[in-house]
Amino acid sequence: ILNVEQSPQSLHVQEGDSTNFTCSFPSSNFYALHWYRWETAKSPEALFVMTLNGDEKKKGRISATLNTKEGYSYLYIKGSQPEDSATYLCAKTQGGSEKLVFGKGTKLTVNP
Amino acid sequence: GAVVSQHPSRVICKSGTSVKIECRSLDFQATTMFWYRQFPKKSLMLMATSNEGSKATYEQGVEKDKFLINHASLTLSTLTVTSAHPEDSSFYICSARGLAGDWSYNEQFFGPGTRLTVL
Repeated sequence: ILNVEQSPQSLHVQEGDSTNFTCSFPSSNFYALHWYRWETAKSPEALFVMTLNGDEKKKGRISATLNTKEGYSYLYIKGSQPEDSATYLCAKTQGGSEKLVFGKGTKLTVNP
Repeated sequence: GAVVSQHPSRVICKSGTSVKIECRSLDFQATTMFWYRQFPKKSLMLMATSNEGSKATYEQGVEKDKFLINHASLTLSTLTVTSAHPEDSSFYICSARGLAGDWSYNEQFFGPGTRLTVL
């Protein structure tokens, strides 16, 4: 994997459904993996920063896992609500660099 | 805390004019600010990194004479798109990072972005 890839590109779920999406990244020279939540016309909001292989983080109904050896992270949303509708971005930083390398995002729409 | 504002949110200009976009950290001192742009259906791409009081570092392929960055204070950075052309139409977004040790792992806080349309 050369770039940060996110899948799926977009996702429509019903209120109450649980869902998950994937961020894949080059595993070499890994420093940190960031997840952001970006609602239309607002600033991207930081959800998680993860650094260690096997890390799991949780914030309310949203959680994330990290596998640095195989280069992927999953974001899970339990019991989706319409207010969860947003684009979810992941970004990788490498050791020795401040640079965030972003995926294209997963656009989640939760239908009431 | 950690709020970043950006102004204007949307700008339409004629080809050949210059456009200035402001990025402000409202409740913290931003030692480093970053400028990104996003073309349709593409990812956010870093254009340049600026540290307060020094010249910006531009990413490969970004023209420093076209995209002028000034980071004169710990709360303000500006991006000026000089002699804008239709191909510069894009979404420009800034982020800011505070003093080392305030946040770990290069945590950046983003503004809401500026939609630039060059006619």
